[in-house]
Amino acid sequence: DGGITQSPKYLFRKEGQNVTLSCEQNLNHDAMYWYRQDPGQGLRLIYYSQIVNDFQKGDIAEGYSVSREKKESFPLTVTSAQKNPTAFYLCASKQGTGNNYGYTFGSGTRLTVV
Amino acid sequence: AQSVTQPDIHITVSEGASLELRCNYSYGATPYLFWYVQSPGQGLQLLLKYFSGDTLVQGIKGFEAEFKRSQSSFNLRKPSVHWSDAAEYFCAVGRFSGGYNKLIFGAGTRLAVHP
Repeated sequence: DGGITQSPKYLFRKEGQNVTLSCEQNLNHDAMYWYRQDPGQGLRLIYYSQIVNDFQKGDIAEGYSVSREKKESFPLTVTSAQKNPTAFYLCASKQGTGNNYGYTFGSGTRLTVV
Repeated sequence: AQSVTQPDIHITVSEGASLELRCNYSYGATPYLFWYVQSPGQGLQLLLKYFSGDTLVQGIKGFEAEFKRSQSSFNLRKPSVHWSDAAEYFCAVGRFSGGYNKLIFGAGTRLAVHP
């Protein structure tokens, strides 16, 4: 079955460490997104990518970096510059264009600073 | 700026009762509207979406939503709630800017269902 796979499901980071969250899709979608979810704040956009080798900052990109070397993969690195990284991270891809499109979400990675 | 407001943070209903979750949006153009559901520790599942046409939209799991332009609302309804509907619900508006599409989410409404 097609879908989005995020790994790991749980991740623990020490202060000052960089960590990378994996997002892989086999849906053949061009556009991919990273969202951060905090209790009571909904989802906020970190980065998005429309095609391979292209990505754009979202609303809360500081302290994060991404790459898009393959269509299927859109990893997110949480750097030591991110002062409050504990959150639930969701990856998504977009299918369709114009006035008929939709998004598919992965099952998320919960990152905790220890 | 575009925004989505879900006025109710928590809602509790009894099993079998009707449900309405409120969503108001602020968007200058014709909005593309979505409702998603999230079980604890899981990703988001699409319940329904509105792009154009009939303002009453049917979705999965017996949910429906009605787009009311005059009220800038897209409320989610279900006539009879099941215990398995307990989850968090997110309303979102699709925004197209600078050649890119992205979703803007409300803060969510957490639904509890009493037996």
